[in-house]
This record gives sequence, C-alpha cells and structure tokens, in this order.
Amino acid sequence: GEQVEQRPPHLSVREGDSAIIICTYTDSATAYFSWYKQEAGAGLQLLMSVLSNVDRKEEQGLTVLLNKKDKRLSLNLTAAHPGDSAVYFCAVRGPNYNVLYFGSGTKLTVEP
Amino acid sequence: DTTVKQNPRYKLARVGKPVNLICSQTMNHDTMYWYQKKPNQAPKLLLFYYDKILNREADTFEKFQSSRPNNSFCSLYIGSAGLEYSAMYLCASSPRLGEAEQFFGPGTRLTVL
Repeated sequence: GEQVEQRPPHLSVREGDSAIIICTYTDSATAYFSWYKQEAGAGLQLLMSVLSNVDRKEEQGLTVLLNKKDKRLSLNLTAAHPGDSAVYFCAVRGPNYNVLYFGSGTKLTVEP
Repeated sequence: DTTVKQNPRYKLARVGKPVNLICSQTMNHDTMYWYQKKPNQAPKLLLFYYDKILNREADTFEKFQSSRPNNSFCSLYIGSAGLEYSAMYLCASSPRLGEAEQFFGPGTRLTVL
C-alpha cells in the first residue's frame, strides 16, 4: 500500500522566516494531495489541496509544490508568524479513493 | 454548524473493559471515518461508514466495532481494551463518498491502564 514519509518531525523558525515541510509518497497512481493543520486542542483543518495535474499552488502565504517524478510534495509557509505554530500533516489519496494516507506530522514552532 | 463533535474528549479505561466513543456532525455528510493516532505516527484509518454501510480496514477488522444509528452519529466501540489501544481517536466526515476533503473533530484521547 501507499507509504507516506514526512519530514522534519519538528521545525522551529523565527517570525518572518519561511518554513518548508516535505512529504514523499510511493504510489505513482496517487491523484490527490493535501495539507492539514492541527492547532492545539482542535481537529485537523484542510489548508490546501491539489490534484495530480497541478505542479504549484499558492494561497495566502502558502505554496504547495508537487513533483510527480520524485513523488514529493512540499508545503512552504512564507513569512511565518506565531499563529502558524501548529502540527502540519500531509495527506494523499491513493487508488482506493476512500482512503487518505497521512504523514506523521511536523510540529512547527514560530518564535517572535 | 460546520463542526464535527466528539465525546468524551478524554477517556480513561481499565484493561479488559469496554470503551465507547461518540462522534456527531450536523452537516448531513454521508461518510464518517474513525482514525487512530499514536504519538509521532500518522493518523491511521480504522473504518468508515458510507451511509449505513460499514467498511473496516483489514488489519483492524476484529479490534473495533462501530455503529451509525442515523446520519449524524457514529460510534467507535472497543469490546475489551488493551494497553495498545491507548491513542488519540479522530472522527471525520465528508459530504459524499469519494469527496477528498474530510472535516475532523478534535479527537478523544483514550488512556488504557
């Protein structure tokens, strides 16, 4: 089945710096890619999603890059601020379209 | 109300005792999911309900039961808790089967002693 690796597990940056989180996946048939954010005490919230025909998507200071050749998905937070501190998960949907495969999460800390 | 609710938020259980976790949503979503998340691990899908049809993952088939008495509620039942069941249990829903976006509840932290 699909294997998703996410790194780094912990990331600390200063306010205004960028933060990059990377996921790799194994199934070349994967067609849907997403990033979720989990703030303390809350559920996972969808940040952005892309389909396999999209290489790059930008929204509100977030950039998702998809490299299908290397089976790599990245999330770039430009100019991070303390409110971005949370745990971030990538999630991909494989051939069984009912199942989302998650990465193990990255705890991002943005220091003032 | 576009939230998924879970009760209780924290649950302490003894080894060998049953555990029942509850999830609810009022968005009229036809699919509801249960995930198990352990520290430093990815959320792992346990099962999902599409309408009244239960689908359980092969490796968790015998460990978890579930019921969905109506569209809004879904429970996760452990008949005899073991130490290995200690984890965060996340409930999610999606509007239609195959809809990729899932809406998550805050989770129930289960500790088995």
